Amino acid sequence: DAGVIQSPRHEVTEMGQEVTLRCKPISGHDYLFWYRQTMMRGLELLIYFNNNVPIDDSGMPEDRFSAKMPNASFSTLKIQPSEPRDSAVYFCASSPGVYLEDEQFFGPGTRLTVL
Amino acid sequence: AQSVTQLDSQVPVFEEAPVELRCNYSSSVSVYLFWYVQYPNQGLQLLLKYTTGATLVKGINGFEAEFKKSETSFHLTKPSAHMSDAAEYFCAVSELDTGRRALTFGSGTRLQVQP
Repeated sequence: DAGVIQSPRHEVTEMGQEVTLRCKPISGHDYLFWYRQTMMRGLELLIYFNNNVPIDDSGMPEDRFSAKMPNASFSTLKIQPSEPRDSAVYFCASSPGVYLEDEQFFGPGTRLTVL
Repeated sequence: AQSVTQLDSQVPVFEEAPVELRCNYSSSVSVYLFWYVQYPNQGLQLLLKYTTGATLVKGINGFEAEFKKSETSFHLTKPSAHMSDAAEYFCAVSELDTGRRALTFGSGTRLQVQP
């Protein structure tokens, strides 16, 4: 298995532009998570899905952020408009989710820089 | 709500010296505990986890951790450090009673291994 795939690996954009991050989870995993990692706030959960349905989006910073999962093999995290404070590494993770202690498998991350 | 504290942002050790990375958690309900490792420019990878049963759990790469409920701690140890252990280590908690699949991470501890 190729693991969790994220694209792009690096994104540099200017303030005000729309940014779309993409994730392909491991096949057969029912749960998908989006995390953001910054020096100031550490690793924080943004949103997670179960069987393509958003379950908890309480970590989404504000209305500028939106996430979708149109099918079991694809998810997007969109920021519109982007701001410099959105600069971070964004991780996608997936999990079988059969049991609460199931491991979350992380992708390599997308490093976003907003100028 | 649960929280995880990793008091040491950096831990320097010499090669072949023992390693201890500290983790304390706070929660009003029973929890599962995890340690993840992040190598440079990579996603997180599960080292070990505690769910139920034996409080001393063994993970990959010779690491182990002991769950001490009375101290609300889950410290990570290794008898002898290798250069390849240099990475950032994250302690995480998942609450049982809520059924919530998301993990709450600590701020991370960077392990520096010196020759």
